[in-house]
Amino acid sequence: AQKITQTQPGMFVQEKEAVTLDCTYDTSDQSYGLFWYKQPSSGEMIFLIYQGSYDEQNATEGRYSLNFQKARKSANLVISASQLGDSAMYFCAMREVNTNAGKSTFGDGTTLTVKP
Amino acid sequence: EAQVTQNPRYLITVTGKKLTVTCSQNMNHEYMSWYRQDPGLGLRQIYYSMNVEVTDKGDVPEGYKVSRKEKRNFPLILESPSPNQTSLYFCASSLKGQRQSGANVLTFGAGSRLTVL
Repeated sequence: AQKITQTQPGMFVQEKEAVTLDCTYDTSDQSYGLFWYKQPSSGEMIFLIYQGSYDEQNATEGRYSLNFQKARKSANLVISASQLGDSAMYFCAMREVNTNAGKSTFGDGTTLTVKP
Repeated sequence: EAQVTQNPRYLITVTGKKLTVTCSQNMNHEYMSWYRQDPGLGLRQIYYSMNVEVTDKGDVPEGYKVSRKEKRNFPLILESPSPNQTSLYFCASSLKGQRQSGANVLTFGAGSRLTVL
């Protein structure tokens, strides 16, 4: 069964600094995808970044990067140069490719607050 | 514009009164899924569909029904809503997800906030 664990219910970061949001996962599938989504206070779910389990390079998208450590089953999100608009809830999620291609699992989320 | 459209966005109803939340996507996606979001619990999957006429249970299917008669639509039906179904509901879609690819990214609707009194 898939499981996503986000151990930080809330995080604070100073504007312009970098922050790491933790995510660990568990799966028996060898092929899977890991995702991060942002949910601002307005409620919509915004896709940030994707990492495939066979990708050798860590994914990057602008100020977002994913620190993927397969052996440790971790997929931490790094936000560089934080901005006030980064204040939001962040969800780590995964989808298996083979065994349970229809299932998707989300963590409980981390609320990030960026201080001016 | 590529999007997932949910209706209604907000609904207050009473226990036992059947309701349907509609979901429609214009991206020709095979895969569609429903989630509920409750404080501190993240998003939990209710039902999903890999293609027309193919649906399966997620982690919290009790009290819900779905159907997939057309590729673009995936309505969520609450036959007899109860107060514990008060929640924020999201519909999402993607390509089928059976190969490792960024194309598996879920596109979400704006959410439907349901209150059952």
